[in-house]
Amino acid sequence: AQSVAQPEDQVNVAEGNPLTVKCTYSVSGNPYLFWYVQYPNRGLQFLLKYITGDNLVKGSYGFEAEFNKSQTSFHLKKPSALVSDSALYFCAVRDSGLPHWGAGTKLIIKP
Amino acid sequence: EAGVAQSPRYKIIEKRQSVAFWCNPISGHATLYWYQQILGQGPKLLIQFQNNGVVDDSQLPKDRFSAERLKGVDSTLKIQPAKLEDSAVYLCASSSSSGGNEQFFGPGTRLTVL
Repeated sequence: AQSVAQPEDQVNVAEGNPLTVKCTYSVSGNPYLFWYVQYPNRGLQFLLKYITGDNLVKGSYGFEAEFNKSQTSFHLKKPSALVSDSALYFCAVRDSGLPHWGAGTKLIIKP
Repeated sequence: EAGVAQSPRYKIIEKRQSVAFWCNPISGHATLYWYQQILGQGPKLLIQFQNNGVVDDSQLPKDRFSAERLKGVDSTLKIQPAKLEDSAVYLCASSSSSGGNEQFFGPGTRLTVL
C-alpha cells in the first residue's frame, strides 16, 4: 500500500492568491510528516514537519501545513503565493523509521 | 555548519561500466540515506544507514548496486555494471536520527548512462 499520496501532479495559482498542495498518508501508529521543496537545479530543502502537538505547523518561507488525523491528510498551505514559490513540492512520512515519499506536486505561480 | 557534500556532481558513462559516488554527511549525523531520483519522480530510497549498520536496503538492486559506510561517517555508492535505466540523480541525505528529525540533502550526482 502506498504510504504517501500527492493527488495533484501540478497546481496553478495566481500570485497573491492562497495556495494548497495536498498530501494524504497511510501509516500505522503516529506519523512523522514532512514537506520538502525542490527548486530547479537545486537540492531538496526541508520546509516543515509535524511530530506531535498543534495540528497547524509553520515552516520556512511563510508556508504552513495542517495535520488532520481523521482525514489522514497533511496539506501544505500559504496565504499569499509568490512567483518565487514555483517549485516541486514533496510530502514525506516516516513509517517504522523509514522515509516514504510522495511523487511530488509541481507548483506554478503565475504573475 | 557545513552541509552534505557529494561528488562528483555529474558523471557520464557507457553501459556496463562502473561508477562510484561519494557522500560526506553533516558532522554528527548518525543516519545516512542514498536515494535515486528519476526526472519528474519522487526520491526512491536505496539504502539507509544508522552509523555503520544498514537499516534498510530493500530497494537496492543488489546484483549491481552496493553501498558502504565503513566508519560510520562518509559513504560510497557503487554501480557495477551500469544500465541505461540507471540514469538518474543520486541524492545523499543525512539526519541526526531516524525519528522525527528532518533530512538534509546534498546537491546530488547526475548520472547519465549512454
